[in-house]
Amino acid sequence: DAKTTQPTSMDCAEGRAANLPCNHSTISGNEYVYWYRQIHSQGPQYIIHGLKNNETNEMASLIITEDRKSSTLILPHATLRDTAVYYCIVRGRGGANNLFFGTGTRLTVIP
Amino acid sequence: GAGVSQTPSNKVTEKGKYVELRCDPISGHTALYWYRQSLGQGPEFLIYFQGTGAADDSGLPNDRFFAVRPEGSVSTLKIQRTERGDSAVYLCASSPGTPRGNEQFFGPGTRLTVL
Repeated sequence: DAKTTQPTSMDCAEGRAANLPCNHSTISGNEYVYWYRQIHSQGPQYIIHGLKNNETNEMASLIITEDRKSSTLILPHATLRDTAVYYCIVRGRGGANNLFFGTGTRLTVIP
Repeated sequence: GAGVSQTPSNKVTEKGKYVELRCDPISGHTALYWYRQSLGQGPEFLIYFQGTGAADDSGLPNDRFFAVRPEGSVSTLKIQRTERGDSAVYLCASSPGTPRGNEQFFGPGTRLTVL
């Protein structure tokens, strides 16, 4: 599975959109982009995943560039409860069974 | 419905002791995973079960670590002769079928402290 690069930390004002970037320049054609988040003292929580089309669900939107080398997770109206570490993971259908988390982006939502 | 549960939530033990950590996956989930998370790091894969069998144990750090899932539901992670470096949060996750493409549902973890 391809590796990902994320900023170590980001801040976002409460009520504003939080845009979390992820670089996955070595992604291959059958690999999906997954996002999980981990709120302090909890287990990771699935957010969203996509292959090449943009995806939206009740939690977030995932924008994948046309060349699929990067993506952005968007939380449209960040709340204090969105403060967490966000992990971008690339995983193929024929790839490893496990998720490779890396160190993620620590998002702090500021009142 | 009930999520993944793990017991105990906290475990303190002394160096050299044996510990068992339990995971109850979501009912009906055939896939089960164990991860370990050290302070400031993301979770690291340990072992994956499909049903009763360990389909991938490549993440177990050494032979002191062992996991079982005898009836294809509850799993137990066993650590022999614990060392201080084993201190971490041990996370369990389950998913409904084959892992590829399916999201994993995580439990709250067991915080193990080896004194």
